[in-house]
Amino acid sequence: GAVVSQHPSRVICKSGTSVKIECRSLDFQATTMFWYRQFPKKSLMLMATSNEGSKATYEQGVEKDKFLINHASLTLSTLTVTSAHPEDSSFYICSANTGTNYGYTFGSGTRLTVV
Amino acid sequence: GQQLNQSPQSMFIQEGEDVSMNCTSSSIFNTWLWYKQEPGEGPVLLIALYKAGELTSNGRLTAQFGITRKDSFLNISASIPSDVGIYFCAGVYNFNKFYFGSGTKLNVKP
Repeated sequence: GAVVSQHPSRVICKSGTSVKIECRSLDFQATTMFWYRQFPKKSLMLMATSNEGSKATYEQGVEKDKFLINHASLTLSTLTVTSAHPEDSSFYICSANTGTNYGYTFGSGTRLTVV
Repeated sequence: GQQLNQSPQSMFIQEGEDVSMNCTSSSIFNTWLWYKQEPGEGPVLLIALYKAGELTSNGRLTAQFGITRKDSFLNISASIPSDVGIYFCAGVYNFNKFYFGSGTKLNVKP
């Protein structure tokens, strides 16, 4: 089946540094990928839609300069958390459309801790 | 973003019992989806509902897409310990945007 690989699974970084999270579709091409954020014991919140070859579309309230998204190929989207602060600590999850009807597969998530 | 109300927030049940959870929204969705998430993992799709009124089963799971397109429920029959996890509903808007409910944490006692 369609697999979405997310890397790293866990990352700890210092305040003020930037962190890049990768989302790869392993056996299919994805023109669109989605980035979500999940706080502990909370639901997934859609942050942005990543479009291959064009700018990402951000949800209301999500700072595009803070959360940089790049979808440079049909199999890779990256989310860079810039100048990270402790309040950016969260579980970030990506998903990609496998091309089948509502065949959206989720990555296994990245636990970001900013210290 | 869209607001989905999911209930109950958590459930503690005995193995073998049936479980029911539901989601409601003030908005109409094209599709309702139900996911299960285990700790430290991404959500895994359980059931997809495409038409208002649709009732779909997947093993011990049954879900329905409300007639008004603003609600959905998920039933799990004869629960087993491996059903433990957090269940999320998701409404799909504009065929591409997912909005998730707040989740139902299910605990099953053997």
